[in-house]
Amino acid sequence: KNQVEQSPQSLIILEGKNCTLQCNYTVSPFSNLRWYKQDTGRGPVSLTIMTFSENTKSNGRYTATLDADTKQSSLHITASQLSDSASYICVVSGGGATNKLIFGTGTLLAVQP
Amino acid sequence: GAVVSQHPSWVICKSGTSVKIECRSLDFQATTMFWYRQFPKKSLMLMATSNEGSKATYEQGVEKDKFLINHASLTLSTLTVTSAHPEDSSFYICSARRTEISYEQYFGPGTRLTVT
Repeated sequence: KNQVEQSPQSLIILEGKNCTLQCNYTVSPFSNLRWYKQDTGRGPVSLTIMTFSENTKSNGRYTATLDADTKQSSLHITASQLSDSASYICVVSGGGATNKLIFGTGTLLAVQP
Repeated sequence: GAVVSQHPSWVICKSGTSVKIECRSLDFQATTMFWYRQFPKKSLMLMATSNEGSKATYEQGVEKDKFLINHASLTLSTLTVTSAHPEDSSFYICSARRTEISYEQYFGPGTRLTVT
């Protein structure tokens, strides 16, 4: 069964600290893996997208890693800001004609002053 | 670039009435658009895939007669919730796939539907 699991479910950190969110997937075939940020009451916004051959990709203070062998990904946030408080969703595309996306349940991050 | 808009951003309607939600790709063409719904603290669930000029493909368990989808142009898809009931209250999000970049989807800001 195609699944995407994320941990932790929720996380509280102090402003300025770093954090790492985890994503494990069992999706086959695999096309690409994306990390999205979703603010409360808003649609998801893409942070990174990685294909099979990419190990790491950065977008400002966000750095995503991908290990296609172990089917794991992480999202590292550096020097967190209050505006980073949001839900972070790991999404895997199984490829094919429809490119259906398989969503993780997300990690709810709260950055406190 | 790659902006997707939704209208309205929130709507309250009475039980039994119908509500139409629009999804537009503002600066690109999208042959395929997707409709999702999201319950509080839950992940997005795909409802249907909307293809320009053809019938939508619905996910298992989604009533096609209740959730009418029309994708009349390369920049507009609409979702109509017919005979809405309180259990249809949810956050509806659309996404659009650029014609020339088949794997990238861009999400709209979502529409909050409340049925009273």
